[in-house]
Amino acid sequence: AQSVTQPDIHITVSEGASLELRCNYSYGATPYLFWYVQSPGQGLQLLLKYFSGDTLVQGIKGFEAEFKRSQSSFNLRKPSVHWSDAAEYFCAVGGTGRRALTFGSGTRLQVQP
Amino acid sequence: KAGVTQTPRYLIKTRGQQVTLSCSPISGHRSVSWYQQTPGQGLQFLFEYFSETQRNKGNFPGRFSGRQFSNSRSEMNVSTLELGDSALYLCASSLREQGLRGTEAFFGQGTRLTVV
Repeated sequence: AQSVTQPDIHITVSEGASLELRCNYSYGATPYLFWYVQSPGQGLQLLLKYFSGDTLVQGIKGFEAEFKRSQSSFNLRKPSVHWSDAAEYFCAVGGTGRRALTFGSGTRLQVQP
Repeated sequence: KAGVTQTPRYLIKTRGQQVTLSCSPISGHRSVSWYQQTPGQGLQFLFEYFSETQRNKGNFPGRFSGRQFSNSRSEMNVSTLELGDSALYLCASSLREQGLRGTEAFFGQGTRLTVV
């Protein structure tokens, strides 16, 4: 069965500092991977996605993620965090034959001034 | 282009009642999926509809049901509400069925259901 692990429940960074959110997945074939962001009381916004090809993918709001098959990881990065990035971030995996997305438990990001 | 629209945004219901939530997908999108989000269980898949047919179903009791209309709008219904059904219900819209290569899911803002 496919699964997603986000090891960090809560992360606090200072504004302007770099950010890396971890995501590890379990999937038997080539996965489709996504990162979503959710502000309080809101829905999920797609930040970026990986389907195939270049393992470093760029997303919106200055985020990027790198797919590492050998480590079953899809970590999200941002070089300089802004206060408006404070939110909850979800990694998700999908794939052929498994139509539903499986989400990780989320990482809540707090940004200190 | 309008996004995914969910109505209502907030609902308060009493145990034992039933509730219907609505989702209008992005224009041209034919797949609608429903997810339940709770603090304890996180995001869990309920079901997916594509071209008015249920294509996939999660592990939820039969009290949870859904349907999709010819204009791709979808409704989900929960009968005999329980306190544990309190959650944020999210609808996701896709151009094609989820799981097909290149298919992205776009989410609505959700309906916050509180069962008292």
